[in-house]
Amino acid sequence: AQKITQTQPGMFVQEKEAVTLDCTYDTSDPSYGLFWYKQPSSGEMIFLIYQGSYDQQNATEGRYSLNFQKARKSANLVISASQLGDSAMYFCAMREGSGTGFQKLVFGTGTRLLVSP
Amino acid sequence: DSGVTQTPKHLITATGQRVTLRCSPRSGDLSVYWYQQSLDQGLQFLIQYYNGEERAKGNILERFSAQQFPDLHSELNLSSLELGDSALYFCASSVTGRTATNEKLFFGSGTQLSVL
Repeated sequence: AQKITQTQPGMFVQEKEAVTLDCTYDTSDPSYGLFWYKQPSSGEMIFLIYQGSYDQQNATEGRYSLNFQKARKSANLVISASQLGDSAMYFCAMREGSGTGFQKLVFGTGTRLLVSP
Repeated sequence: DSGVTQTPKHLITATGQRVTLRCSPRSGDLSVYWYQQSLDQGLQFLIQYYNGEERAKGNILERFSAQQFPDLHSELNLSSLELGDSALYFCASSVTGRTATNEKLFFGSGTQLSVL
């Protein structure tokens, strides 16, 4: 079963506007972590933000914030004041935590964001 | 710069050949992970090493193998290459590789493999 779902293959936003990239996840584990990574056209994967399942507050990192709605199992990434350099693929990922042994980081299929001037 | 170094950046080879991809983790990181990114499969976990020992295996083909050396660098060996093996191969590292949910992975810039 798909554990991470990103339903938006592509998103467009104008410079300086805010944009929300959707991510829903599926797990029965009460302990898990959610990550967002950015992949620019150059190819590297850049860590953006992390949210733990037990965190009381939504995570924020500069212009990035995570709209974490635990009951709905969603972890949407909000980018405020978009910049041209934000144009990239964005991946949501999850690691479950309660099992024994290694728990891999599972990625969604990504959303391509294009920021226009 | 994530601190994870992958070489080479690009690799072009023919079907049936064997290649080796190399990864140096961030200083202090003990775990190395290999991921494959292709258009049809997305980002797929291949294998993880922790301090020289294999820790977990994912969707890694039998034609592929990896190892982590005493200096913690890792190599991914791909043999009997097929057209479908063309992909971007990422190495990532983390401090411990334990199950902690908040352990971030730091990725290298990847090796783009093209099998012709």
